[in-house]
Amino acid sequence: DAGITQSPRHKVTETGTPVTLRCHQTENHRYMYWYRQDPGHGLRLIHYSYGVKDTDKGEVSDGYSVSRSKTEDFLLTLESATSSQTSVYFCAISGPGRGNNEQFFGPGTRLTVL
Amino acid sequence: ILNVEQSPQSLHVQEGDSTNFTCSFPSSNFYALHWYRWETAKSPEALFVMTLNGDEKKKGRISATLNTKEGYSYLYIKGSQPEDSATYLCALAGGTSYGKLTFGQGTILTVHP
Repeated sequence: DAGITQSPRHKVTETGTPVTLRCHQTENHRYMYWYRQDPGHGLRLIHYSYGVKDTDKGEVSDGYSVSRSKTEDFLLTLESATSSQTSVYFCAISGPGRGNNEQFFGPGTRLTVL
Repeated sequence: ILNVEQSPQSLHVQEGDSTNFTCSFPSSNFYALHWYRWETAKSPEALFVMTLNGDEKKKGRISATLNTKEGYSYLYIKGSQPEDSATYLCALAGGTSYGKLTFGQGTILTVHP
């Protein structure tokens, strides 16, 4: 298994509170991604990173920010959590390229916003 | 936003049946097509990555074909087993930088003993 961990694995929080999810990899892969998984939507890309301090938005980035200060860590922050952000969040990593490398996924974080 | 469609949404088959699913994508935005298998309570795992028109890949009882000109890929499972029960996702890499993928909604396969 690719060395990807996510923390926390489960979190319950209240509307309006900030939340940070962490993705940590030991594979030294350059690209990292955050997805959310919702019924009927499959996986949707929130943000991605193509190197340290290099990040960009995905298709559902509103309400989320990211940071990558070192190769192994990619943080996803919900500045002020809303109930619509209740979801399962997956981190993924891959080697460099335009999409011909498979992505390896972390175990997921289940976030509930009350 | 690229539109990747999978059909059917769900499928119930009996053990031993062979089955197939479809992934449709815009042929004008093709760079690579991925298939992932996603078991309940686990993470998605890659089955295949295909890049060439006419590509055919196989892993055990599972195989996939690719037609980039008409924008579709088929995933086949021969002699389905209960352990094949999972959600099967396809994802399109549209050729932009950084390997971004657009996923379909998935096909949920249930194999009954």
